[in-house]
This record gives sequence, structure tokens and C-alpha cells, in this order.
Amino acid sequence: EVQLVESGGGLVQPGRSLKLSCAASGFTFSNYDMAWVRQAPTKGLEWVASISTGGGNTYYRDSVKGRFTISRDNAKSTLYLQMDSLRSEDTATYYCARHDFDYWGQGVMVTVSS
Amino acid sequence: DIQMTQSPPSLSASLGDKVTITCQASQNINKYIAWYQQKPGKAPRQLIRYTSTLVSGTPSRFSGSGSGRDYSFSISNVESEDIASYYCLQYDNLPLTFGSGTKLEIK
Repeated sequence: EVQLVESGGGLVQPGRSLKLSCAASGFTFSNYDMAWVRQAPTKGLEWVASISTGGGNTYYRDSVKGRFTISRDNAKSTLYLQMDSLRSEDTATYYCARHDFDYWGQGVMVTVSS
Repeated sequence: DIQMTQSPPSLSASLGDKVTITCQASQNINKYIAWYQQKPGKAPRQLIRYTSTLVSGTPSRFSGSGSGRDYSFSISNVESEDIASYYCLQYDNLPLTFGSGTKLEIK
């Protein structure tokens, strides 16, 4: 059974950093591009970033470029999202997903507030 | 960036009705559209990919169609378990973009 389990969310002050993790199981992690998608409270879905199977290619939405870094450890079957210089508008539930967007994690909440 | 204009924002239907949601892309997306169902507090669930391919486990009352810029998603014989929000996603080009969502309610 495919499982994606996010962790690392919480309350953080503006300008600070947070690192999300997504532990994958039930499939060969290294064979799949992966992605992060977020959803602000009561709002719609927004793609954040994607990474290729080997990690050599990464893609970001403009609003997080230069602040967020997506990475992966295929030996640990884990996806990461390093979030720096956080802003209030980054407040959202963050989901990891296979890049086919067929399987999603349960989501982790990130709140940026002083 | 490709804009996905989804309508209507909300829908009220009776059990057994057929409902249709549309997504119009700002440019041709070559049928690379998927549809998702999201229930409150839950992750989105993929129902349809590549315009009309039902994902394993998706009931046959769900369907999708379209081409070029214009796509639609339908639920025939709406059931109470279909109460949710629905989103389209274009995956033809980065940045990937979602429609703004449609909230389905039962009359």
C-alpha cells in the first residue's frame, strides 16, 4: 500500500525557517518524480515544487523561488522541503505527492505568525 | 503560466441528479488535465487523469471529456458521498495549475 507521511510542520515566526519531511513507502520511491502542493486555510490547491527521480532537476513556483528548496534522499525514501524566509502568506497545509498526483500524503500544517 | 478557469464555484444538486463542472485553460493543454475530489480535512483524491481515464477505484458515475482548452467533469446519479469540493489540474506545463474549485452540496 502506497503511503506518504509528512512531518515537521508547526508555528513559526515570519522570516524564520522550517523543514518538512515526507516518508514514502509501498512503492519504489527512486522511480518517481515527487512534488509538494499547499492549500491555505479555506483556499484552493497550489503547486509549490517538484523534483526529478535523481534530484538533479527541481522546479518551483515563482513565489517560493529562492526561499524554498526541495530535495530527496532515495536511500531513505524521503522527500524534503526546506522553507526559509517564511512569510504569512506561506501559511497552509502542505501535501507531498507523487508527481503523477495519484497519491498524496495526509498533509502537515504550517502557520507563519508572530 | 496557464490559467485554469473553473466553474461554477458551487453547485447544489439533488440525489440522483447529473452535475457538470467545467475548466477552461488559457491555452491548449493537450488533454493533460486531471480531476480531484477533496473532502473536508482530507487530502485530494485523484478521480480522473488525462481528461477521461478513470483512476482505479473511481465509480463509473464519474466521467470527463474535452480537448484543446475546454474540459468538463460530470457526476451522474449524484450520491450523498459525493459531497465534496472538486478541482481540475493541468499538468501540460509548469507551473502546474489548479482550478479554483467547485463545492458540491446536496439540496
